[in-house]
Amino acid sequence: VQMTQSPSYLAASPGESVSISCKASKSISNNLAWYQEKPGKANKLLIHSGSTLQSGTPSRFSGSGSGTDFTLTIRSLESEDFAVYYCQQYNEYPYTFGAGTKLELK
Amino acid sequence: EVQLVESGGGLVQPGRSLKLSCAASGFTFSNYYMAWVRQAPKKGLEWVATISTSGSRTYYPDSVKGRFTISRDNAKSSLYLQMNSLKSEDTATYYCARDPRYFDYWGQGVMVTVSS
Repeated sequence: VQMTQSPSYLAASPGESVSISCKASKSISNNLAWYQEKPGKANKLLIHSGSTLQSGTPSRFSGSGSGTDFTLTIRSLESEDFAVYYCQQYNEYPYTFGAGTKLELK
Repeated sequence: EVQLVESGGGLVQPGRSLKLSCAASGFTFSNYYMAWVRQAPKKGLEWVATISTSGSRTYYPDSVKGRFTISRDNAKSSLYLQMNSLKSEDTATYYCARDPRYFDYWGQGVMVTVSS
């Protein structure tokens, strides 16, 4: 299953809201996770099952979608949110990731 | 607190072998599938292998199938990745991750460089 993530880069300011899209090449039901990558820190699972927030994920993060189209939305960006985000499907092997979205400070 | 600590990385020549280890703590290791995920320099994430709780089932993408072997020792709460016939394209940071289908905890990673 190919995962197409967009945009590759996103510039925003604190307080703004942003959305990241992830499209699967075939239906993956809701078997999609979102991760955050920051330098010097272990990768963090934000959301699984398309929309279920992992324990500890702030409520400003939300996930939506099922089938082939998914979206990660971050409301009211905070400084700690500037990072790289990846989607990943786990509906079937081989597990596959999107290419990532780098969220930068405008 | 869940902790995953990888070790065993380094510089290795093409065609040679290397074995990575991951020491797990803070959870009942034997209850979870475990996985390895890698990230080549300046690239995205790539799933490398998954192993079932008992070790009886293993899963790999075509890019490493037949060359890499994932294994575990539940008595030692340890995960391993034996990498044979290494290629330059295997150069990456390798992460150990807990795998209840998605990856809910990750280690900090260990670097593997394949170069002559």
